[in-house]
Amino acid sequence: DQQVKQNSPSLSVQEGRISILNCDYTNSMFDYFLWYKKYPAEGPTFLISISSIKDKNEDGRFTVFLNKSAKHLSLHIVPSQPGDSAVYFCAASNRGGGTSYGKLTFGQGTILTVHP
Amino acid sequence: KAGVTQTPRYLIKTRGQQVTLSCSPISGHRSVSWYQQTPGQGLQFLFEYFSETQRNKGNFPGRFSGRQFSNSRSEMNVSTLELGDSALYLCASSLGSAMETQYFGPGTRLLVL
Repeated sequence: DQQVKQNSPSLSVQEGRISILNCDYTNSMFDYFLWYKKYPAEGPTFLISISSIKDKNEDGRFTVFLNKSAKHLSLHIVPSQPGDSAVYFCAASNRGGGTSYGKLTFGQGTILTVHP
Repeated sequence: KAGVTQTPRYLIKTRGQQVTLSCSPISGHRSVSWYQQTPGQGLQFLFEYFSETQRNKGNFPGRFSGRQFSNSRSEMNVSTLELGDSALYLCASSLGSAMETQYFGPGTRLLVL
């Protein structure tokens, strides 16, 4: 029962173009969503988050869009740079506490490769 | 501000042994969560501690346990190691008063032979 899914295992883009990474979720109790970037043998690095009361959040080159009715979020990176090449994970949480305390549910990750 | 630190970074153990991993959260953070990352299962939640109390636990056997100290540092212990316990173990910290962003440490790579 995978509650958070990233259906594209990999994505390849040219430097300077837009990268769009997608994520779908099934649990309607999720109300906070995050994107992390990860290099091999390192811990995930937080990129950007969005609360379910918003539909867009922007931070520099990174923008996250949330479509609650479709249970879908996406991360846009513009412009893409070779240093962005990494594995990107989306994660979701329920801020209601209880059995949700401290628990992020992760997707399987998408490998992004940005070519010079 | 220093980030989340984990020790040791690498460990090799044999089946049947036990192991203890340590995590020091970001200063001021009171919540520590632990995750296991494997190629097959991805990132899976183990448990979370806040103010020395376990508030939440994932779907792992009782061989996996943890604790948190008064300074918010946390340890996790795996007893009677199995080959399938080979993984990257990650801890993450957050302020803990509500569900905020978690910040991850570099992880401990455990290899069970």
